[in-house]
Amino acid sequence: EPEVTQTPSHQVTQMGQEVILRCVPISNHLYFYWYRQILGQKVEFLVSFYNNEISEKSEIFDDQFSVERPDGSNFTLKIRSTKLEDSAMYFCASSEALTGGKLFFGSGTQLSVL
Amino acid sequence: DQQVKQNSPSLSVQEGRISILNCDYTNSMFDYFLWYKKYPAEGPTFLISISSIKDKNEDGRFTVFLNKSAKHLSLHIVPSQPGDSAVYFCAAGGTSYGKLTFGQGTILTVHP
Repeated sequence: EPEVTQTPSHQVTQMGQEVILRCVPISNHLYFYWYRQILGQKVEFLVSFYNNEISEKSEIFDDQFSVERPDGSNFTLKIRSTKLEDSAMYFCASSEALTGGKLFFGSGTQLSVL
Repeated sequence: DQQVKQNSPSLSVQEGRISILNCDYTNSMFDYFLWYKKYPAEGPTFLISISSIKDKNEDGRFTVFLNKSAKHLSLHIVPSQPGDSAVYFCAAGGTSYGKLTFGQGTILTVHP
């Protein structure tokens, strides 16, 4: 069964450093997303991406965050200057359709900011 | 953000019995509702969904019920199996581009 692949599974970084989280969505999917879950809290929407541009973003997704689809397969989330509160599990997801909610999630990248 | 709430942090059920997981929402603009299942060290996995124009959707052992007037939905698992033990998330979406609002999750434990 096709799956969304995320790398790395764990990332440790120092506060103020830049990190790039990588994702390979399912090949025939056109819509891509990043969600995150801070320990003990809800899974939160960050951003959706279609046709090489952001479709929607949450209040969390400020200027420190950016997304990119650098080639035909990868989808990345960059955090320019990490803060302690950015520590969370980051999930990439993709879907065939824009609505309906059937998203396919990757296993996540656990980001720890020290 | 309390738009989607799962008030039971955990549920324990005997194998073969029914599991009922509940979810409440406040935003009447949601168009569809979903249940996701999550095992440790994995991402959420889609389980079942329901459109706001329906009140029931069934898929094998899983049935989701939607009560729009009460802004409540539930997931029934019959019969429950030990492999169903996981965290279950209720989620809701509207016209926004793939944005889902999740509940806090309910840990289901099915005992053999």
